[in-house]
Amino acid sequence: DQQVKQNSPSLSVQEGRISILNCDYTNSMFDYFLWYKKYPAEGPTFLISISSIKDKNEDGRFTVFLNKSAKHLSLHIVPSQPGDSAVYFCAASAGNGNKLVFGAGTILRVKS
Amino acid sequence: ETGVTQSPTHLIKTRGQQVTLRCSSQSGHNTVSWYQQALGQGPQFIFQYYREEENGRGNFPPRFSGLQFPNYSSELNVNALELDDSALYLCASSRGDSEAFFGQGTRLTVV
Repeated sequence: DQQVKQNSPSLSVQEGRISILNCDYTNSMFDYFLWYKKYPAEGPTFLISISSIKDKNEDGRFTVFLNKSAKHLSLHIVPSQPGDSAVYFCAASAGNGNKLVFGAGTILRVKS
Repeated sequence: ETGVTQSPTHLIKTRGQQVTLRCSSQSGHNTVSWYQQALGQGPQFIFQYYREEENGRGNFPPRFSGLQFPNYSSELNVNALELDDSALYLCASSRGDSEAFFGQGTRLTVV
């Protein structure tokens, strides 16, 4: 039972353009959502998070949007840079102290 | 301030053996969680320790066990290793409900 789904295994974007990574979830109890970035041979690095009481959170080039009715969130990266090329994981928790449920990840390639 | 460190970085074990993986949490963090990441998948929650007590467990058999020490470092023990236990094992530390910070992981190969 996959509670967090990232349906796009990979995404390729031109440098300077917008990258949009999508994530869907099924568990209505999830109230906190996070995005992590992972380079090869490194652990996941926290990028940005959003609480279910908000519908948008912005941090520099990264913006996360949450649509609770659709159980959907997305990560926007503007402008995309070659250094953004990595695997991006969407994760969710249900108010239970950071016991995270992860999606399978999306490989982002930013071409220069 | 040191980050989350895991040891060893790579490990090869034979089926049926036992393994211990170690994690030092980030300074000031009292919660440690362990995740298993199989190839091509996202990390899966194994269990969490808060102030030396287990604080939640994912869908993993009892042969996966852990400890947290007074300095908040932690161990993950896996008994009777199976081929499917081959994966990247990630440790994450946090302070309360703050964001979790991950170590670089231990790559375990069971042959």
